[in-house]
Amino acid sequence: QVQLQESGPGLVKPSETLSLTCSVSGASISSSFWSWLRQPPGKGLEWIAYMYSIGSFHYNPSLKSRVTISVDTSKNQFSLMLSSVTTADTAVYYCARDGGLGGEKVFDLWGQGTLVRVSS
Amino acid sequence: QSTLTQPASVSGSPGQSITISCAGSSSDVGGYNYVSWYQQHPGKAPKLLIFDVSNRPSGVSNRFSGSKSGNTASLTISGLQAEDEADYFCMSYTSTTTLIFGSGTRVTVL
Repeated sequence: QVQLQESGPGLVKPSETLSLTCSVSGASISSSFWSWLRQPPGKGLEWIAYMYSIGSFHYNPSLKSRVTISVDTSKNQFSLMLSSVTTADTAVYYCARDGGLGGEKVFDLWGQGTLVRVSS
Repeated sequence: QSTLTQPASVSGSPGQSITISCAGSSSDVGGYNYVSWYQQHPGKAPKLLIFDVSNRPSGVSNRFSGSKSGNTASLTISGLQAEDEADYFCMSYTSTTTLIFGSGTRVTVL
């Protein structure tokens, strides 16, 4: 059974860098494409980045200048770094799998999500 | 366009059918058959219900069905049950290879 688990600090100061890791268990990280999404409290979902080939990511244009994604195959993890955060970046952050069910970006498996608050 | 347009809320009685709309443009919903729907219970992660407009993943009840007409996609829940009370989001692939989500619909079972 494949599972995803996000981890990282729950509180980040404004202007600092948010760093999260998604650990994949039950499958090789090289077997699927992976993504990061987020959801501000009480609001809708927003995609941050999705993998379109192994190790290559397409970024949301509105966040692209601040986002870095990396993949560590030895640890079966992929990570998100979001720089220069503001209170608008407060959200539940999810990692998700594109399981290849459909034509484009079908997120069939999600992590439980982790709340990151940006506050001084 | 930053989000696809969904009704803020839809309600129905147990056993009834309800439909949630997801309005976009020819650059997203209307241009591709890559619309998916997600169900989200409070405090939980989203769950995939429908992909590629009308396909159900294994394990999803056949009470959930999807369709599309022009620039608007729809999710229908038939035989409404108490457990269907949740938020529902649509998502579409776009012509600029980005993804766009709907504003979300809260379903209430009366």
